[in-house]
Amino acid sequence: NAGVTQTPKFRVLKTGQSMTLLCAQDMNHEYMYWYRQDPGMGLRLIHYSVGEGTTAKGEVPDGYNVSRLKKQNFLLGLESAAPSQTSVYFCASSYEAGAQPQHFGDGTRLSIL
Amino acid sequence: GQNIDQPTEMTATEGAIVQINCTYQTSGFNGLFWYQQHAGEAPTFLSYNVLDGLEEKGRFSSFLSRSKGYSYLLLKELQMKDSASYLCAARNQAGTALIFGKGTTLSVSS
Repeated sequence: NAGVTQTPKFRVLKTGQSMTLLCAQDMNHEYMYWYRQDPGMGLRLIHYSVGEGTTAKGEVPDGYNVSRLKKQNFLLGLESAAPSQTSVYFCASSYEAGAQPQHFGDGTRLSIL
Repeated sequence: GQNIDQPTEMTATEGAIVQINCTYQTSGFNGLFWYQQHAGEAPTFLSYNVLDGLEEKGRFSSFLSRSKGYSYLLLKELQMKDSASYLCAARNQAGTALIFGKGTTLSVSS
């Protein structure tokens, strides 16, 4: 049972480069989320989706775009990477709101030089 | 807006009991979660409270007081493997996402 799978696990980019982080879940969850985690800042929500074809902004959406073309996949894009986007990115999913917990992927460690 | 506060660091010894507090300010309350995160790993779900009172799960318990905007996570019979960060999170007003506190790093020593 894979759960939530993030690819890649590590990446180094140069300033200005673009890339896409992929999140895939096999639990048939409706809700999916992208967070970034920085030292001393905790987990901050970037974007989220409450179902296929929907996306919404979280707390820190600037510089990121997302897409949810298929229910099982949630993509996070960086159009022009900046050093401030160096972080650990976590994807999570859940059935719906309420008591259902979010299940997290193992994270993507992204460094931007 | 929403604000979640919890202590940055705590230390304890094996076998002891530790209580990690969390206070929250939300424009609408939709439930409070606790997660555990070991260094370099993903957060994992520990507990959920939506009604006032204590929820017990083995060595871990979580308490909620909605009127006080307060929760705590109680860890009993501490073990070295309990050394981790503990994240308090409240649902946003729409109930569609979680707002996390900055986490409390717990160090358990022998």
